[in-house]
Amino acid sequence: AQSVAQPEDQVNVAEGNPLTVKCTYSVSGNPYLFWYVQYPNRGLQFLLKYITGDNLVKGSYGFEAEFNKSQTSFHLKKPSALVSDSALYFCAYTGGFKTIFGAGTRLFVKA
Amino acid sequence: KAGVTQTPRYLIKTRGQQVTLSCSPISGHRSVSWYQQTPGQGLQFLFEYFSETQRNKGNFPGRFSGRQFSNSRSEMNVSTLELGDSALYLCASLEGTDYYNEQFFGPGTRLTVL
Repeated sequence: AQSVAQPEDQVNVAEGNPLTVKCTYSVSGNPYLFWYVQYPNRGLQFLLKYITGDNLVKGSYGFEAEFNKSQTSFHLKKPSALVSDSALYFCAYTGGFKTIFGAGTRLFVKA
Repeated sequence: KAGVTQTPRYLIKTRGQQVTLSCSPISGHRSVSWYQQTPGQGLQFLFEYFSETQRNKGNFPGRFSGRQFSNSRSEMNVSTLELGDSALYLCASLEGTDYYNEQFFGPGTRLTVL
């Protein structure tokens, strides 16, 4: 069965420091992987995706993610965190007209 | 283009009742997916529709059903509501048929079952 795991419920980082939100996957076939962000009382917003090609994917708001096939990981990163990055982040896999989300990681960026 | 809209935004029902939620996708999008979000179970896939056909469904009881109309608008119905059905229900639309495109989410319908 396909699955996506986000091992950390919460990540705390100081403003200006780099941040990493972790995601690992277990899928068969092509791993179409996504990151979405959810702000309070809002729907999800797309950040970036990996379909094929370069392992380093750049997305919205300065975020990037590194696809690592050997470690089956797709970690979300940002060189310098902002307080406004505080939100709930979801890693997701899409295949067979179905999307499987990780449990979500709440990111707190402290000023 | 207008984004994905969901109505109503908030709903309070009692156990045993039924409810219908509506989703209007972005103009030109023909795929609509529904998700249930709860603090305990996270985001779970309910079903996906494309051109009025359900192409996949998640592991939910038969009380949860959906449909899509010829204008791509979609509805989901939950019959015989249970307390555990309290959740944020999100719908998302997709341009084209390729699922490696990103989904666009609506703001959700917050359902409270008393």
